[in-house]
Amino acid sequence: DGGITQSPKYLFRKEGQNVTLSCEQNLNHDAMYWYRQDPGQGLRLIYYSQIVNDFQKGDIAEGYSVSREKKESFPLTVTSAQKNPTAFYLCASSAGQGGYEQYFGPGTRLTVT
Amino acid sequence: GNSVTQMEGPVTLSEEAFLTINCTYTATGYPSLFWYVQYPGEGLQLLLKATKADDKGSNKGFEATYRKETTSFHLEKGSVQVSDSAVYFCALISGNQFYFGTGTSLTVIP
Repeated sequence: DGGITQSPKYLFRKEGQNVTLSCEQNLNHDAMYWYRQDPGQGLRLIYYSQIVNDFQKGDIAEGYSVSREKKESFPLTVTSAQKNPTAFYLCASSAGQGGYEQYFGPGTRLTVT
Repeated sequence: GNSVTQMEGPVTLSEEAFLTINCTYTATGYPSLFWYVQYPGEGLQLLLKATKADDKGSNKGFEATYRKETTSFHLEKGSVQVSDSAVYFCALISGNQFYFGTGTSLTVIP
């Protein structure tokens, strides 16, 4: 059963701590993406990766970091430098360039207090 | 540049009413267009897509036609159900970049 998994569904952290959100896909997709969604808002692109060992900043990369050591995995670290980290984080993947649709995971809701 | 503009919500309809959610876009080249749906607390699911002008995407009673002359991709459904209550996102891909609208919240009341 192919798809994208994100874990955990809910995550709670204290201010000042780094936290890593997991994203795994078994769709054999080349491209992977991280978005942030705030209540009542659209999606904002944090980072994306078109290929293993390569990634690019999106519109709101400050305070976040990623790695892409394996095709299936694209973890996102929310660092203590991120001013307002509480949000819903969505991971997506696509087959690559050329008009391919993105497939989304179920999301992780991060709450930082 | 590339962008997507959706009608603002929230939209509230009675069951069996006709639905239209407007979406217009600005893009260089020939983008593919998409509608996604997000149910509360979940990720986005692809609802339908169209890859070239005059294509009609359809799924689960929803449909949208890629209109190049008006740069539009309006979502329609003839008879909505309570289970259609969700947030709907219009999106385009140009090159390898995705652009999403801000989403339109739909509530269908019995």
